[in-house]
Amino acid sequence: KQEVTQIPAALSVPEGENLVLNCSFTDSAIYNLQWFRQDPGKGLTSLLLIQSSQREQTSGRLNASLDKSSGRSTLYIAASQPGDSATYLCAVPYGQNFVFGPGTRLSVLP
Amino acid sequence: DVKVTQSSRYLVKRTGEKVFLECVQDMDHENMFWYRQDPGLGLRLIYFSYDVKMKEKGDIPEGYSVSREKKERFSLILESASTNQTSMYLCAISRLASNNEQFFGPGTRLTVL
Repeated sequence: KQEVTQIPAALSVPEGENLVLNCSFTDSAIYNLQWFRQDPGKGLTSLLLIQSSQREQTSGRLNASLDKSSGRSTLYIAASQPGDSATYLCAVPYGQNFVFGPGTRLSVLP
Repeated sequence: DVKVTQSSRYLVKRTGEKVFLECVQDMDHENMFWYRQDPGLGLRLIYFSYDVKMKEKGDIPEGYSVSREKKERFSLILESASTNQTSMYLCAISRLASNNEQFFGPGTRLTVL
């Protein structure tokens, strides 16, 4: 059974810092990995999708990497801003479903 | 842009009422999902559907049913709402292919009194 974990559970950083969020999965036979952002009381917004054949995917200040062999993905946020404060979740497909991590709650302090 | 809409952002119902939550997509994606999200428990799959009139139970189907009469619409039904069904309900869609990307609606915050 696929299990997804995220470390840390919460993170607080001053504005301008670069930071890394971690996602680990137990079954390396994945097709892709997706990173989401969730603001309080809202739905999930897709940030990046990394296919199993890719090692990295970039969108603006966000960079996601995938290492299938070690069962890990990282989300790098450059020059963090208060508007980046949210919960970040990763997810992998599992059959026709998806398995989600518990999320990392990020606070960027002005 | 992918668009997934949910019928209500906030809903307040009484115990025992029948509740309908509706999800509509405009992307012609085959798969549709209903999740609930609770603090400390994360996202839990209730039901999903990969085609019209097809449905599969997720991890927590008890107390819920679903209906998919048209490809773009997936309804979640609480036959007799209970207080422990107070939660955030999230609809999502994806393509049938194995490299599928999932897209979510804005969520419905349901409170059962």
